[in-house]
Amino acid sequence: DTAVSQTPKYLVTQMGNDKSIKCEQNLGHDTMYWYKQDSKKFLKIMFSYNNKELIINETVPNRFSPKSPDKAHLNLHINSLELGDSAVYFCASSLPGTGVFFGPGTRLTVL
Amino acid sequence: AQSVTQLGSHVSVSEGALVLLRCNYSSSVPPYLFWYVQYPNQGLQLLLKYTTGATLVKGINGFEAEFKKSETSFHLTKPSAHMSDAAEYFCAVNMNRDDKIIFGKGTRLHILP
Repeated sequence: DTAVSQTPKYLVTQMGNDKSIKCEQNLGHDTMYWYKQDSKKFLKIMFSYNNKELIINETVPNRFSPKSPDKAHLNLHINSLELGDSAVYFCASSLPGTGVFFGPGTRLTVL
Repeated sequence: AQSVTQLGSHVSVSEGALVLLRCNYSSSVPPYLFWYVQYPNQGLQLLLKYTTGATLVKGINGFEAEFKKSETSFHLTKPSAHMSDAAEYFCAVNMNRDDKIIFGKGTRLHILP
């Protein structure tokens, strides 16, 4: 199936730990994103990469570090996790004018 | 700066009634506009989009939206609501043809039996 996939689907961890979320798209899109959705369902863009190059870096703590090894992959590493990092993280991809296609999300719970 | 406003965080309609979800945007240039639906515990699915051309766009599941430049609006409608339409709906805008797509705060649609 052509899609945006991300792993894991659920992530439960203790404060202070480091964790990674992986994302892959096989849609041939040039641009990939990370979005954060909080408990009030508000969606906020975190990062955008175009052909492995960082394009958008919103006001996100530098504990969050995206990495794009190639244009089909965009991973998110989070250091020193905090309670406020609990949210659903969505990976997405797009071509200009196509709209954004989302992965299924990773529900991160920090205890 | 680009922005998008969805009027009403919750909307309730009876099954079979008209669905109208409102979206307004601010822009200095013609935008690209999108509606997404999110079912519980799932990702976002593209319902429809406007880029250029016909201002009335049709999407999946019987939804449609009309781009009205004079009103800076892109309201989502469906003639007859179905129970399966209950979900969160997001309007989104991309104004500079760049990679930044901004989402509204979402409207939760409730369908009453």
